[in-house]
Amino acid sequence: KAGVTQTPRYLIKTRGQQVTLSCSPISGHRSVSWYQQTPGQGLQFLFEYFSETQRNKGNFPGRFSGRQFSNSRSEMNVSTLELGDSALYLCASAGGAGGTYEQYFGPGTRLTVT
Amino acid sequence: GDSVTQMEGPVTLSEEAFLTINCTYTATGYPSLFWYVQYPGEGLQLLLKATKADDKGSNKGFEATYRKETTSFHLEKGSVQVSDSAVYFCALSRKGGGADGLTFGKGTHLIIQP
Repeated sequence: KAGVTQTPRYLIKTRGQQVTLSCSPISGHRSVSWYQQTPGQGLQFLFEYFSETQRNKGNFPGRFSGRQFSNSRSEMNVSTLELGDSALYLCASAGGAGGTYEQYFGPGTRLTVT
Repeated sequence: GDSVTQMEGPVTLSEEAFLTINCTYTATGYPSLFWYVQYPGEGLQLLLKATKADDKGSNKGFEATYRKETTSFHLEKGSVQVSDSAVYFCALSRKGGGADGLTFGKGTHLIIQP
């Protein structure tokens, strides 16, 4: 079974621009979560989507948004980029079968804001 | 709110040494606990998990026991190899199907010398 894929793997943007990152979950998984990883703050939860609905959101400004499509693929958008948005953005998918569930991570998208 | 505390390192050991990476948590209810590993340039891989008190998770020679009385989930391995060099993350997730995302520790950088 193919794993979680993320595109692009690397991205360089200029401050003030916007960016869209894409995530394709493991086949059959309906939950997709996004995380930001930085050396200073570590891994932080951005938001989670299940069946095209955002179920929960972490403590990030409104410039960070996402969506999920009917095939469970998800996109994350960051508008008005700031230097501090430079990070590794990780996507994780899960089966979503009630109770506890395991999240499987993709390789990440490395975003550099200059 | 929920939090996870772990030693950040780097932790440097010789091959075949015994490994312990401490992890303690603060959370309401009865969270599930996880250890993830991240190799250079890659995303996170689930190493092991435990979903209730006194459960022991194990994989690839690594073990961790869910201790509710001490709110701990320490990672151990009897004999480490150079290939175990990576960053290890302790994480928790609340039970009950809540999509609250994973709460991660800061990560422990492990270096194994031949």
